[in-house]
Amino acid sequence: GEDVEQSLFLSVREGDSSVINCTYTDSSSTYLYWYKQEPGAGLQLLTYIFSNMDMKQDQRLTVLLNKKDKHLSLRIADTQTGDSAIYFCAEFSDGGYQKVTFGTGTKLQVIP
Amino acid sequence: NAGVTQTPKFQVLKTGQSMTLQCAQDMNHEYMSWYRQDPGMGLRLIHYSVGAGITDQGEVPNGYNVSRSTTEDFPLRLLSAAPSQTSVYFCASSPQGIGDEQFFGPGTRLTVL
Repeated sequence: GEDVEQSLFLSVREGDSSVINCTYTDSSSTYLYWYKQEPGAGLQLLTYIFSNMDMKQDQRLTVLLNKKDKHLSLRIADTQTGDSAIYFCAEFSDGGYQKVTFGTGTKLQVIP
Repeated sequence: NAGVTQTPKFQVLKTGQSMTLQCAQDMNHEYMSWYRQDPGMGLRLIHYSVGAGITDQGEVPNGYNVSRSTTEDFPLRLLSAAPSQTSVYFCASSPQGIGDEQFFGPGTRLTVL
């Protein structure tokens, strides 16, 4: 079945760039998303990219998509302590049956 | 707008007890869904609804019931709680369908002893 995989943990120093990676298996993905979950809260959409794009930039966030390798990344420039959270990659596929599959989440720890 | 609200925030049940997790949204969204979040497993879809009066099963529906009598409310019922249902439950809504941006509630942390 479809699978979305992420590494579980990433630690960076404040001011550095963070890169969170995700791989997926469903070739019928239409959109790919990055959601952020702060402690004790629900998920909040950060950004998304259409599957026919290879890059999207939004202020400090850069999303890169390699459709051939089914690899998605989220780069956060100038990482701040407020960026500490769990980041979920998710894919929306519409191969006859619409579904959204979430990854396991990457916990980002920002060290002051 | 309050967005998506969930009650209670925390709940402890004994095996075999039943309860209802409440979810409400004030954004007039058609699509609502329930997920459970377990360590190392991401979010898994339990049930969803594409509009009032219409519900369907997600990936892990066993042991749960839902109903959607109004656009605003989408309660999740645990019929006979089991320790395997210990989890954090999130309700989400989106304007039209599952591919839209989903707005999540703050979650309910459920422990079944």
